[in-house]
Amino acid sequence: GQQLNQSPQSMFIQEGEDVSMNCTSSSIFNTWLWYKQDPGEGPVLLIALYKAGELTSNGRLTAQFGITRKDSFLNISASIPSDVGIYFCGGNSGGSNYKLTFGKGTLLTVNP
Amino acid sequence: DAGVIQSPRHEVTEMGQEVTLRCKPISGHNSLFWYRQTMMRGLELLIYFNNNVPIDDSGMPEDRFSAKMPNASFSTLKIQPSEPRDSAVYFCASSLSGSYNEQFFGPGTRLTVL
Repeated sequence: GQQLNQSPQSMFIQEGEDVSMNCTSSSIFNTWLWYKQDPGEGPVLLIALYKAGELTSNGRLTAQFGITRKDSFLNISASIPSDVGIYFCGGNSGGSNYKLTFGKGTLLTVNP
Repeated sequence: DAGVIQSPRHEVTEMGQEVTLRCKPISGHNSLFWYRQTMMRGLELLIYFNNNVPIDDSGMPEDRFSAKMPNASFSTLKIQPSEPRDSAVYFCASSLSGSYNEQFFGPGTRLTVL
């Protein structure tokens, strides 16, 4: 089945630093989604990507759909304490299959 | 607008008891998903419904798990009998079928089976 490798597993950074995380898949995906999960809450959709090479921003967040369609990147610029949480990538192969495969998440800690 | 609503938020029960988790999807969404989240396995899709019909239940662990969606605004996930290894956070998510899987998650139910 489809597998997603998300890295790094965790990051400890200082407030103001930029952050980058990525996901790679063993197969081609038609959709990439990035979610953030705060403690005790459900994942919240941050950015959705639909085309290879697509670069989309949401405030200080920027995500890219890799050209090979097997990877995606999420960058956070000028991190702030409220960026703390777990970031998940999710991918879908499209067609009639609406199943998302998720990465294991990247735990981000931001030191003030 | 209200997001996905789940109840209860927390459930503690003893092994062997029946557990029922409830979900109200976002109004107008016609796809509904049940996920289980654990530290070891991450987010796992259990079942998904489209237009109230179960499309794929291949992720349901075993016969102790069952899910229903009697109408467009309500779904249940039932575990009977529950076991300690069922302890996890269970999420419900909903989406519009044509929205390329922009799934919106509820706050989850944290289940502890003693």
